[in-house]
Amino acid sequence: AQSVTQLGSHVSVSEGALVLLRCNYSSSVPPYLFWYVQYPNQGLQLLLKYTSAATLVKGINGFEAEFKKSETSFHLTKPSAHMSDAAEYFCAVSDQGGKSTFGDGTTLTVKP
Amino acid sequence: DTGVSQNPRHKITKRGQNVTFRCDPISEHNRLYWYRQTLGQGPEFLTYFQNEAQLEKSRLLSDRFSAERPKGSFSTLEIQRTEQGDSAMYLCASSVDSYQPQHFGDGTRLSIL
Repeated sequence: AQSVTQLGSHVSVSEGALVLLRCNYSSSVPPYLFWYVQYPNQGLQLLLKYTSAATLVKGINGFEAEFKKSETSFHLTKPSAHMSDAAEYFCAVSDQGGKSTFGDGTTLTVKP
Repeated sequence: DTGVSQNPRHKITKRGQNVTFRCDPISEHNRLYWYRQTLGQGPEFLTYFQNEAQLEKSRLLSDRFSAERPKGSFSTLEIQRTEQGDSAMYLCASSVDSYQPQHFGDGTRLSIL
């Protein structure tokens, strides 16, 4: 069985500050890992994915994530937060069949 | 790429009524997934299709729920005898295959009166 834990349901940063959203996963097979962003009343948009090619994954809008097998982590970072980054972020793990298990999400607030 | 389309965007109905949602995936995508999302939670897997074949159903999907994907194109999700606990956002996603990321629609928000 696979699972995802996102540490911190709410994260608040100042504009221009580092963004760090934490995700730990559990999977019995080599995982496919994803980060998605969701704006109010919209579906999820893919930020980036890990599929074993490289441990540091770069995504859209300046986000990146590092896969650490020893820590079973896949934390999302962005060097400098922008007001438009305020949204809900979901980490997900997918099995070989494509079925995804999502974390409960982290709401990012960006203060001016 | 016109994206995944879901209709209706909002559905308000009385408890006990039947509702049906439609999802039109990206045209070349063979995989289609249904998820349910409640407030403050991540999406929960309901079921998925490979072309017209329904490959897996979650235990969350009681026998009041049925999903179809005739001809491997659009999909419908029907809920019979709706209950208060069915109130949620129902999300559809599609992908080329099981290894590729899923593209999500904007969801159908169901409210049960």
